Amino acid sequence: AQSVTQLDSQVPVFEEAPVELRCNYSSSVSVYLFWYVQYPNQGLQLLLKYLSGSTLVESINGFEAEFNKSQTSFHLRKPSVHISDTAEYFCAVTKKTSYDKVIFGPGTSLSVIP
Amino acid sequence: EAGVVQSPRYKIIEKKQPVAFWCNPISGHNTLYWYLQNLGQGPELLIRYENEEAVDDSQLPKDRFSAERLKGVDSTLKIQPAELGDSAVYLCASSRTGASSYNEQFFGPGTRLTVL
Repeated sequence: AQSVTQLDSQVPVFEEAPVELRCNYSSSVSVYLFWYVQYPNQGLQLLLKYLSGSTLVESINGFEAEFNKSQTSFHLRKPSVHISDTAEYFCAVTKKTSYDKVIFGPGTSLSVIP
Repeated sequence: EAGVVQSPRYKIIEKKQPVAFWCNPISGHNTLYWYLQNLGQGPELLIRYENEEAVDDSQLPKDRFSAERLKGVDSTLKIQPAELGDSAVYLCASSRTGASSYNEQFFGPGTRLTVL
């Protein structure tokens, strides 16, 4: 079975500073990886996903994540955060099959300090 | 395009009472999911529908939880009777036809249930 670990439950960071949210997964088979973001009082939204090909994937709002198979990691980074990035971030994994349920990590709460 | 709609947004009930949550997915999305999200945790799948068929309900506690999607569009999740431990956020999500592991899921805002 797959599992996801997000070691940092809360990450405070000053505005315009860089940030990295860590995600490690466990799986015996090949996986798809996702980052979802949840703004206060809203549903989860897909931020970016790794399916295959280039190990570096980017979102439209400046986030990027790199798939590292040897370290079973999919860390999320942004070089300069904004107040509007304050949210809960969930890393998720699922097996590369026709269908398997998505397993979500416990989430990391990012707080951007003005 | 309207997103996934859920109601009510908040519900407070006493233990042993029944409760129901409603979800209307994005138009054209035939796959519908119900998730449970406890405080400080990620969502956990309760049940997945393909049209009106429940194709994955292995995580649904069937002694007190039930769900239906009679016409393959909107769906209702019910708890009867509710217990204190059911206090959580119940999320509904939908995705395109022919669910694949990498299909993007679109989430509703959730229903926050408090059982007293």
